[in-house]
Amino acid sequence: LAKTTQPISMDSYEGQEVNITCSHNNIATNDYITWYQQFPSQGPRFIIQGYKTKVTNEVASLFIPADRKSSTLSLPRVSLSDTAVYYCLVGAFRGSARQLTFGSGTQLTVLP
Amino acid sequence: GAVVSQHPSRVICKSGTSVKIECRSLDFQATTMFWYRQFPKQSLMLMATSNEGSKATYEQGVEKDKFLINHASLTLSTLTVTSAHPEDSSFYICSARPPGTPVYEQYFGPGTRLTVT
Repeated sequence: LAKTTQPISMDSYEGQEVNITCSHNNIATNDYITWYQQFPSQGPRFIIQGYKTKVTNEVASLFIPADRKSSTLSLPRVSLSDTAVYYCLVGAFRGSARQLTFGSGTQLTVLP
Repeated sequence: GAVVSQHPSRVICKSGTSVKIECRSLDFQATTMFWYRQFPKQSLMLMATSNEGSKATYEQGVEKDKFLINHASLTLSTLTVTSAHPEDSSFYICSARPPGTPVYEQYFGPGTRLTVT
């Protein structure tokens, strides 16, 4: 599994765009990049997944450069409720029983 | 969307006793469920893979005789912490994935906070 490196913590203010970058230098050709969000005392929640270029859904955007050695999760106009830990996961998610391996995550704190 | 529930949400038990935690997929069937443990301010650590109708697969360092997993039906997996000790106090979370959902899109339960006194 490719090792991921994320900032331990980030602070932002309400209404700002937040970009969290994840480094994964050893990503393999068949690896996908996935981001999860976890609020305190809750299970993680799937946010977004991508393989290359840009992916956007109703919650976030994911930017992946051509070399795929990093990825950036972009949260538009954050609110206080976006305060959570964000995990970047990289893996060849194939097969019916593929488990997820979580790294250390980034604690995002949104300030009023 | 798919819903995974856990019961209980919180449990306090005395050292030396056993406690059972249930993980249910409410609106889908899951042949595989995963159990994670999370200590305060730390990331999730995979404990074991629960397989319906067969033995669970445990991660290295996880005692299979201490953490008993039973996946008796396609919607229920249970984790029993036997002879619990204070160091077993943690947040236990399960996950599952509906058939046809991408493998990377797991649905997690709300977690169970275990406190061993």
